[in-house]
Amino acid sequence: DGGITQSPKYLFRKEGQNVTLSCEQNLNHDAMYWYRQDPGQGLRLIYYSQIVNDFQKGDIAEGYSVSREKKESFPLTVTSAQKNPTAFYLCASKPSDRLGYEQYFGPGTRLTVT
Amino acid sequence: QKEVEQDPGPLSVPEGAIVSLNCTYSNSAFQYFMWYRQYSRKGPELLMYTYSSGNKEDGRFTAQVDKSSKYISLFIRDSQPSDSATYLCAMSETGTASKLTFGTGTRLQVTL
Repeated sequence: DGGITQSPKYLFRKEGQNVTLSCEQNLNHDAMYWYRQDPGQGLRLIYYSQIVNDFQKGDIAEGYSVSREKKESFPLTVTSAQKNPTAFYLCASKPSDRLGYEQYFGPGTRLTVT
Repeated sequence: QKEVEQDPGPLSVPEGAIVSLNCTYSNSAFQYFMWYRQYSRKGPELLMYTYSSGNKEDGRFTAQVDKSSKYISLFIRDSQPSDSATYLCAMSETGTASKLTFGTGTRLQVTL
């Protein structure tokens, strides 16, 4: 089955700890994206990558880091510098930056930091 | 003012009703318009995708874009309880690495 997988579905961490969220796709998509979703605020872009070994900050990148060492994988690290990390995190991908603008989403990871 | 405005609802309709969901936007450079459906605690699922102005139909769903009014709509005919979800509009300029700007979503409840 082709698709985007995110793991784990639920994640709990203590304040002050870094945590890495996994995103894998077997769709052969070039571009990948990370969003966070908070109640009443819609989806906000954290980081995106159009190609392996390259990525750009989105609108709310502070306190987050990413890597893109493989086409299939785009992990997101939520660092202790992120002031309000509890949220629903969504990974998305797109076939090619030149072929339309629609993105396809994974099932999400709900992170709770206490 | 947000770039994309969407009434959060909730919108409650009886089964079989025609549903109208709407978004307004302020950025005249938006050219690509999408509607996503999101069930509770799941990732958004792409429903409809349109470029520039006009209508697009897919089964019970019709998407409309009116660029002169900066207004987009999603119509759902013969609504079903399985249509109960949050509907997100999203839009993008050209040449911006496919960055999408999302509305906050409208929660729809279709009752029996």
